[in-house]
Amino acid sequence: QQQVKQSPQSLIVQKGGISIINCAYENTAFDYFPWYQQFPGKGPALLIAIRPDVSEKKEGRFTISFNKSAKQFSLHIMDSQPGDSATYFCAALDTGFQKLVFGTGTRLLVSP
Amino acid sequence: SQTIHQWPATLVQPVGSPLSLECTVEGTSNPNLYWYRQAAGRGLQLLFYSVGIGQISSEVPQNLSASRPQDRQFILSSKKLLLSDSGFYLCAWSVPRGNTDTQYFGPGTRLTVL
Repeated sequence: QQQVKQSPQSLIVQKGGISIINCAYENTAFDYFPWYQQFPGKGPALLIAIRPDVSEKKEGRFTISFNKSAKQFSLHIMDSQPGDSATYFCAALDTGFQKLVFGTGTRLLVSP
Repeated sequence: SQTIHQWPATLVQPVGSPLSLECTVEGTSNPNLYWYRQAAGRGLQLLFYSVGIGQISSEVPQNLSASRPQDRQFILSSKKLLLSDSGFYLCAWSVPRGNTDTQYFGPGTRLTVL
């Protein structure tokens, strides 16, 4: 019940296209959902985050869509660029335990 | 602003040797601190977390241990390294504020056990 399932494992998108990464969870105690971006050899960096009281959050080309009833959330990268090529992790926080549960990651490659 | 440091950046150690990785945070007080391990091409595995000096919770029983001797210092140790201890070790910090407990990661230490 503490798992966050992430898909796809890898994704290839053409430059200018839309990248979509999906995550699903079971634990209804999760109440904060961040996305992290990780480049090879670097630590993950917070990209964007959402709370379950909103259904969508947009920051630049990055949008989180959140479906509370389905217990699913997704990251959309509009106008994908080669510089977006990285591994993306979704996560969920159970504030009662103060621990993040991470998805298994999606390796995104944006082809020029 | 807050910054997090990890050292060393890379480390190559023989099997059976000891390990000490250090993490320090600047610009904040009483943070939650975390140690993660990431195997090549894999996700993030939480190893230890700490909510205060001397308070350590272990997530995965293994030959690693953690200590927090000072408020903003977190140390990961082992008495005898195993081949399976190879990986990318990440330290992270957070300051819980309501329900937005965002974790911020350090640059990581690449450990290779031969």
